Amino acid sequence: GAGVSQTPSNKVTEKGKYVELRCDPISGHTALYWYRQSLGQGPEFLIYFQGTGAADDSGLPNDRFFAVRPEGSVSTLKIQRTERGDSAVYLCASSPDREGTGELFFGEGSRLTVL
Amino acid sequence: RKEVEQDPGPFNVPEGATVAFNCTYSNSASQSFFWYRQDCRKEPKLLMSVYSSGNEDGRFTAQLNRASQYISLLIRDSKLSDSATYLCVVSPGTASKLTFGTGTRLQVTL
Repeated sequence: GAGVSQTPSNKVTEKGKYVELRCDPISGHTALYWYRQSLGQGPEFLIYFQGTGAADDSGLPNDRFFAVRPEGSVSTLKIQRTERGDSAVYLCASSPDREGTGELFFGEGSRLTVL
Repeated sequence: RKEVEQDPGPFNVPEGATVAFNCTYSNSASQSFFWYRQDCRKEPKLLMSVYSSGNEDGRFTAQLNRASQYISLLIRDSKLSDSATYLCVVSPGTASKLTFGTGTRLQVTL
């Protein structure tokens, strides 16, 4: 499809485990974003990539969270030693360029549940 | 204080009604403003940008008051299909870090 693709759509894990969430942005989009959304809240910014580099990672809550985008396309969000408070929907979005119109194209999200 | 504040609602209105949502933001350096729409268990989608002069898109009108750091969205002639959460979004001027409010839930009923 032409949209942002995220896998897995659902992930249930146990406290303390390691998790990887994958995002495949729209082809040609240079900017990629990770947000997370808890129930009843708006999306919370985590990190933004322009190409391969993390242009702004100020939203990552702590050093258990890490994200990469090695070839400037697919990105992986990695969470170590998961905690129950990490449970949320992790949303990936892409946009065509740095000075965009503010239109982010979101994927359907990866719902993470930490038991 | 949150960077972007919205009344979470829900706003329950009958079809055909006019409804207005407000949003305030704390960063006076913010340059770009948007309204996104999010349907239940779906991803957010851009509804419209908000310009200083105000702008209209069909039944939707957005206004920005920079002096008061206040953004509004007006929906006229509400439809059942307008039922969703409306997210107020603020940016420093590039697409680099959009900050979302908690959203205002709208339920349009028959």
